[in-house]
Amino acid sequence: AQKITQTQPGMFVQEKEAVTLDCTYDTSDQSYGLFWYKQPSSGEMIFLIYQGSYDEQNATEGRYSLNFQKARKSANLVISASQLGDSAMYFCAMREINYGQNFVFGPGTRLSVLP
Amino acid sequence: ETGVTQTPRHLVMGMTNKKSLKCEQHLGHNAMYWYKQSAKKPLELMFVYSLEERVENNSVPSRFSPECPNSSHLFLHLHTLQPEDSALYLCASSQEGASLTGELFFGEGSRLTVL
Repeated sequence: AQKITQTQPGMFVQEKEAVTLDCTYDTSDQSYGLFWYKQPSSGEMIFLIYQGSYDEQNATEGRYSLNFQKARKSANLVISASQLGDSAMYFCAMREINYGQNFVFGPGTRLSVLP
Repeated sequence: ETGVTQTPRHLVMGMTNKKSLKCEQHLGHNAMYWYKQSAKKPLELMFVYSLEERVENNSVPSRFSPECPNSSHLFLHLHTLQPEDSALYLCASSQEGASLTGELFFGEGSRLTVL
């Protein structure tokens, strides 16, 4: 079974609108971390935001926020006020305490921001 | 200097060639990783080095041979590759400690084409 599921292969959003990218995960560990990365066409993976499983508040970093619903095992990324430069692939990833340094990535969502 | 630098950015090789990918991190991190990114597949972890010792080898064929001479440098030696090995190879580093919060910092990747 896939550990990280991203059900939206592609998404479109109008410039200046907000968009939510879905991520669900599967783990039996109590301690884990969730990460979102952005990959522009240049190829580099850029870290966006982190949420720990014990964090009580949703993480926020500038225009990025993470809607963490632990019981549902979901960690959706919300991008507010979309910009043309936000067009990229977005990957959700998880790291479990019992799997050491193995970061598991989802298949990604391609976001296209329309002018 | 950027955090994680990969060379070459593009490589075309025949199935009988021997080549190497190089990664250098300037972040003072203690762990380095090789990931493979193929079209329409999630990122696959290949190798992890922590404090210059290999701690993860994700069932990678022996035609891929990693080398970590020190905590700042990581190589991936390639020998008798197959066309299905064509992919983007991403190097990453992280600072490992007691928590899960150490995110991965990626290089821009080396795009490999095997003819």
